[in-house]
Amino acid sequence: GNSVTQMEGPVTLSEEAFLTINCTYTATGYPSLFWYVQYPGEGLQLLLKATKADDKGSNKGFEATYRKETTSFHLEKGSVQVSDSAVYFCALLTGNQFYFGTGTSLTVIP
Amino acid sequence: DAGVTQSPTHLIKTRGQHVTLRCSPISGHKSVSWYQQVLGQGPQFIFQYYEKEERGRGNFPDRFSARQFPNYSSELNVNALLLGDSALYLCASSLGARGENQPQHFGDGTRLSIL
Repeated sequence: GNSVTQMEGPVTLSEEAFLTINCTYTATGYPSLFWYVQYPGEGLQLLLKATKADDKGSNKGFEATYRKETTSFHLEKGSVQVSDSAVYFCALLTGNQFYFGTGTSLTVIP
Repeated sequence: DAGVTQSPTHLIKTRGQHVTLRCSPISGHKSVSWYQQVLGQGPQFIFQYYEKEERGRGNFPDRFSARQFPNYSSELNVNALLLGDSALYLCASSLGARGENQPQHFGDGTRLSIL
């Protein structure tokens, strides 16, 4: 079947620290992979995506590389800001259906 | 341009009642998908509609139904509400039926509470 596993949170970092949120997946076929971010009281916003193996998605200083050999799509950012505090969801898309991980809450403290 | 809009933003119902949630996609988007997000979990796929036809269905009981109108807006209906239906219901729209290169844009959701 299809599923996504994310590292459990919550994650608390100091401003300017390095961020890694791990994501691994199980999928039939060749899925596209996504990271979405959810701020309190809001819906999900697309952060970045990768549609095939070895693609790197990047946006707002965040990046993730589609690794087929390790079935992973880890999210990284070199220097987090307080405004990055949110819940981050890893997701895969196969066919017409998205499968989301359970989310990782990130809090960045000044 | 307006994003995906959902109504109402909050709703309180009791067990056994029926509820209708509404979604208007981004202008020009023809695909609408519905998701249920239980507190502390990731969204779970319920339905996808494209050009008024159901294109995908998640693992939800028949109490859940949906439809899409000629203007591409959509309704999600849930009958015989259970306490476990309490969740944030998210609507997402995209240009076409397949999303690999067409990211889904999410609304802010409808918070449904069942008493």
